[in-house]
Amino acid sequence: QSALTQPASVSGSPGQSITISCTGTSSDVGNYDLVSWYQQHPDKAPKLMIFEGNKRPSGVSNRFSGSKSGNTASLTISGLQAEDEADYYCCSYAGSTTLIFGGGTKLTVL
Amino acid sequence: EVQLVESGGGLVKPGGSLRLSCAASGFTFSTYNMNWVRQAPGKGLEWVSSISSSGTYTYYADSVKGRFTISRDNAKNSLYLQMNSLRDEDTAVYYCAREYSSWLPGYWGQGTLVTVSS
Repeated sequence: QSALTQPASVSGSPGQSITISCTGTSSDVGNYDLVSWYQQHPDKAPKLMIFEGNKRPSGVSNRFSGSKSGNTASLTISGLQAEDEADYYCCSYAGSTTLIFGGGTKLTVL
Repeated sequence: EVQLVESGGGLVKPGGSLRLSCAASGFTFSTYNMNWVRQAPGKGLEWVSSISSSGTYTYYADSVKGRFTISRDNAKNSLYLQMNSLRDEDTAVYYCAREYSSWLPGYWGQGTLVTVSS
């Protein structure tokens, strides 16, 4: 399976909102409400930010939110802060107990 | 606190083998499905393999099927990845990851680097 499609990069100024898209197919993103989003700082392990499409784990800021429409999931970060600068990855359950990740998006806080 | 600590990475020649381990603590290991995810240098995340909580069911990405074997020892709170017939393209940091919900990874180890090179 090919990776989910994410923009290579997005940017925003402090205080602004940005949205990162994650496009799959009717076999993965479009067929299951099982999309997660991860934040990864350089040389660090990924951190779960959103699970099951729009749920936040305990401890994750409510500035992070998730949504889905058809075959595309989205991560929105509001009130951008300098520490949000990182790589972001989406991941979807793809049936038959396989997982598929997006190619990653580099977020730059200007 | 959930802790996952990988070990076993290193330099290996193409065609060689390596066994990764992941020591888990801070949760009831035997009740969670587990995953291996890798990240090639400068690249994105790639799902490698998953195993059910009991160890009965195993799943693999096409890129490693037939070469890698995932296993677990619930008595030792440990997850393993046996990697055979290694190729240059298997070079990556390998992460052990516990599911958060429905197999999706939620807790990650710090990773262990596997380098396949002659």
